Amino acid sequence: SQKIEQNSEALNIQEGKTATLTCNYTNYSPAYLQWYRQDPGRGPVFLLLIRENEKEKRKERLKVTFDTTLKQSLFHITAAQPADSATYLCALPPSGGSYIPTFGRGTSLIVHP
Amino acid sequence: EAGVTQFPSHSVIEKGQTVTLRCDPISGHDNLYWYRRVMGKEIKFLLHFVKESKQDESGMPNNRFLAERTGGTYSTLKVQPAELEDSGVYFCASSQDVGDLSRGYTFGSGTRLTVV
Repeated sequence: SQKIEQNSEALNIQEGKTATLTCNYTNYSPAYLQWYRQDPGRGPVFLLLIRENEKEKRKERLKVTFDTTLKQSLFHITAAQPADSATYLCALPPSGGSYIPTFGRGTSLIVHP
Repeated sequence: EAGVTQFPSHSVIEKGQTVTLRCDPISGHDNLYWYRRVMGKEIKFLLHFVKESKQDESGMPNNRFLAERTGGTYSTLKVQPAELEDSGVYFCASSQDVGDLSRGYTFGSGTRLTVV
């Protein structure tokens, strides 16, 4: 069955640096991949969508790549700020044709001032 | 526009009792989804409504869970009788079009359910 893997260890970086988070998936080829941000006590907030025919997508300080050969997406935040500290979730459609996303466990990002 | 609203934000109940969670989606959003996150696990899909119809309930864990969306507006998720393993955070989300992936889903803040 499909599997979504995100690093369970928190990523700690200094303010101003670039944060890079990884989402790996196995056993199928999703048509798209989404990234969400989740703050404590809140629901996920949609950030970006990247489709299987796109290699890279940018939005302000965010950049997402999608390598269908490696079965991996990288999520970058440039010039990270303490306000970027949150858990970041990747989400993909399940195999079988449904559009409804399945979520990874998320990686916690902590940006130190 | 108002976001997705969930009520209550927290609920503590005893095993065997009944609890009803409510979700008010964004006005005009025909698609409503319930998800659940149990401790240490990923957020898992429970079911999907299109207006008042259940489109996909493949993620519902068992028949102790009953979801309704009368009139195609707000939705309720009832757990009866509650078991310890039902503890977790229940999220509701809505979207205008299930196939419009570019805007993602709008999630509520969740209901934290604790069964003791």
